[in-house]
Amino acid sequence: KQEVTQIPAALSVPEGENLVLNCSFTDSAIYNLQWFRQDPGKGLTSLLLIQSSQREQTSGRLNASLDKSSGRSTLYIAASQPGDSATYLCAVLGGSEKLVFGKGTKLTVNP
Amino acid sequence: NAGVTQTPKFQVLKTGQSMTLQCAQDMNHNSMYWYRQDPGMGLRLIYYSASEGTTDKGEVPNGYNVSRLNKREFSLRLESAAPSQTSVYFCASSEYQPDTQYFGPGTRLTVL
Repeated sequence: KQEVTQIPAALSVPEGENLVLNCSFTDSAIYNLQWFRQDPGKGLTSLLLIQSSQREQTSGRLNASLDKSSGRSTLYIAASQPGDSATYLCAVLGGSEKLVFGKGTKLTVNP
Repeated sequence: NAGVTQTPKFQVLKTGQSMTLQCAQDMNHNSMYWYRQDPGMGLRLIYYSASEGTTDKGEVPNGYNVSRLNKREFSLRLESAAPSQTSVYFCASSEYQPDTQYFGPGTRLTVL
């Protein structure tokens, strides 16, 4: 059974810092991996999707990498801003064709 | 373009009552999903519909039923609500499986 772990559960950083969020998964047979953002009381917004054949994807200040063989992904956020404060969720789509989510990392960026 | 919409936004039920959560998408997507999100548990798939006319169980289907009414709409029914079903429910859609999923704003359900 696929399990997805996100470390740390919470992270607090000063504005302007570069930061990395980690995601690990137990079964490397995946179709893709997605990073989502969730604001309090809101739904999920897809940030980046990495296909299993890809190593990384970039969107603005965000860069996500995927190392399928080691079962790891990282989300790099450059020059963090208070508006980046949210919970970040990692999810993998595997052979069952169902998304399996991690429990998220709650990020707080302090002005 | 509204994306994925869900109704109601909030609901309080008593144990044993029934209700239907509604979901609609206007992106002409083929696949639709229902998830629940609980503190410390993350999001878990309840049911999904890979295409119009098909539905399949996810990780936590017990106590729920679904209907794919047409390509746009996918409803989730609680026949006899229990306190353990207190949760936030999200509907999502994607063009196909596997593909990027787009989420609705959620329904916060409390069962007393």
